[in-house]
Amino acid sequence: DIQMTQSPSSLSASVGDRVTITCRASQSITIFLNWYQQKPGKAPKLLIYGASSLQSGVPSRFSGSGSGTDFTLTISSLQPEDFATYYCQQSYSTPTFGQGTRLEIK
Amino acid sequence: QVTLKESGPALVKPTQTLTVTCTFSGFSLNTSGMRVSWIRQPPGKALEWLARIDWDDDKLYSTSLKTRLTISKDTSKNQVVLTITNTDPVDTATYYCARWSARGGAMDVWGQGTTVTVSS
Repeated sequence: DIQMTQSPSSLSASVGDRVTITCRASQSITIFLNWYQQKPGKAPKLLIYGASSLQSGVPSRFSGSGSGTDFTLTISSLQPEDFATYYCQQSYSTPTFGQGTRLEIK
Repeated sequence: QVTLKESGPALVKPTQTLTVTCTFSGFSLNTSGMRVSWIRQPPGKALEWLARIDWDDDKLYSTSLKTRLTISKDTSKNQVVLTITNTDPVDTATYYCARWSARGGAMDVWGQGTTVTVSS
């Protein structure tokens, strides 16, 4: 299976900050990389698909980039509702998720 | 509007078979390209992808769990069923089903999840 490694595992930031989360695949997955946001007690929500395409209804402050093995999720200006856990997921082969990045309020 | 809802037992004893059901609306698994996946999340832990079934009845399973998983569909009822045999306390989790989008292979609509505890 392809292993997905996210960094950092947790992150403290303030409202208005620019935040970047990284996801690395154990082998090339081209652009078959998706990002999800999960809030406590809720189901995950799709943010980005195909590495950089914004899912309908997701604010434009979220963006994704990368290809091959290295990917990033960027939030350009953190809003209070963005504090959550973020997961990457590859769909190049049998799907796997990263371990998650918990984004907390500083 | 696409919706999915999971249902299943709240408590299962170790070694028993767990069956969870996903009932969906707003799309049909008879439609070419449609797929539904199951994902689980143990308390306080990360998401784990389990299985997927396609419109043409093709199936894909987690490599580590495939000997214990069976996914099936009933298109007349708009349901997808996942069974897990020989359960263990480590199978305690919230189980989610989600529609698999053709765009990027992402899961674009999720159910609310059903929580299952495996304990004697």
